[in-house]
Amino acid sequence: NAGVTQTPKFQVLKTGQSMTLQCAQDMNHEYMSWYRQDPGMGLRLIHYSVGAGITDQGEVPNGYNVSRSTTEDFPLRLLSAAPSQTSVYFCASSFLRENIQYFGAGTRLSVL
Amino acid sequence: GENVEQHPSTLSVQEGDSAVIKCTYSDSASNYFPWYKQELGKGPQLIIDIRSNVGEKKDQRIAVTLNKTAKHFSLHITETQPEDSAVYFCAATPSNQFYFGTGTSLTVIP
Repeated sequence: NAGVTQTPKFQVLKTGQSMTLQCAQDMNHEYMSWYRQDPGMGLRLIHYSVGAGITDQGEVPNGYNVSRSTTEDFPLRLLSAAPSQTSVYFCASSFLRENIQYFGAGTRLSVL
Repeated sequence: GENVEQHPSTLSVQEGDSAVIKCTYSDSASNYFPWYKQELGKGPQLIIDIRSNVGEKKDQRIAVTLNKTAKHFSLHITETQPEDSAVYFCAATPSNQFYFGTGTSLTVIP
């Protein structure tokens, strides 16, 4: 039981490049979410999903896309990276009824 | 949306003393209030949570209190130890979205 796995751990991009941050969980959780963490701002919700085929926007969705084709995977796509997207990104999952979120170890992204 | 405020932003205590972190929220529909501990370079980890039908919950040295009327909840850590040093986040959940406070950096001085 690996929990929530995020890849890569570190990434450097140039402005305008695209990339996908991967997130996988093996706990059969219905709920999955993506956050970004910036200094002094806590964690802010980007997108979330309550089940396969269902996604919705959080507080700061602009510049990011998500899809949920399986229960296990919830990738986050940056279509055209901007320096403002430099941040630490966390994926989390939970059972809908329990709300207890389990976080991955994070992806540290720098956009130059 | 929900607005969660957390205070203080930094807190230093002597080992063995108590630490208290306070959060307020704005949306009366919020019904779940978790607290997370984040160590350097790691993801947040749940340490305790409370639901809106309960006023207080305790787990060994950690306790959380909730005042729904005033819309505030607090984390209490007693007999602090150096390993309690970390950043602590509160959160409120009115629906399927989690809204986090800005964090409290706790330092326990040996």
